[in-house]
Amino acid sequence: EAGVTQSPTHLIKTRGQQATLRCSPISGHTSVYWYQQALGLGLQFLLWYDEGEERNRGNFPPRFSGRQFPNYSSELNVNALELEDSALYLCASSLDPGTSVGELFFGEGSRLTVL
Amino acid sequence: AQKITQTQPGMFVQEKEAVTLDCTYDTSDQSYGLFWYKQPSSGEMIFLIYQGSYDEQNATEGRYSLNFQKARKSANLVISASQLGDSAMYFCAMSISGTYKYIFGTGTRLKVLA
Repeated sequence: EAGVTQSPTHLIKTRGQQATLRCSPISGHTSVYWYQQALGLGLQFLLWYDEGEERNRGNFPPRFSGRQFPNYSSELNVNALELEDSALYLCASSLDPGTSVGELFFGEGSRLTVL
Repeated sequence: AQKITQTQPGMFVQEKEAVTLDCTYDTSDQSYGLFWYKQPSSGEMIFLIYQGSYDEQNATEGRYSLNFQKARKSANLVISASQLGDSAMYFCAMSISGTYKYIFGTGTRLKVLA
């Protein structure tokens, strides 16, 4: 069974540009989470999607947005890139958040570098 | 407020020895889950072990065990017989039953010495 897949693995952009990151959850998982991990720091919650809808977002500006498609894959968009957006962006999926089987399964991440 | 605290930014352990990574949590909820993840330098977060708040026995998965002390609100990870491949960042996390929330600690970087 395929795990969570993310693309691209690496992305280099310049300030002011837009970045789009993609995530495919494990088959059967309807919940997708996005986290930002800046260098040497912990995971900061960005967005949670479930059943095609944005259910909650972390403390990030509106230029961080995304969506979840009918097949439960998800896209994270970062507009007007700033240098501090350089980070590893991790996507995770869960079968049933908040239950005993609700561990998060993570992808390998997309490393965004903003020059 | 729910919170996970990992007080050890970095740890060293000799190969083949056991090591304990500390994790304390704070929540007023009665039903929650505790997780440990390993993050090697490649970046992927690898799920290691899970403990439910109502589980009476400590969880074990191979060389990993979770020392769950509910009254102290601690969920320490014990790695037995450390291997060089165990060198990585380790994150403790908590989920609150019935919610979407997953709360992560700041991590502990473990270095296994040959």
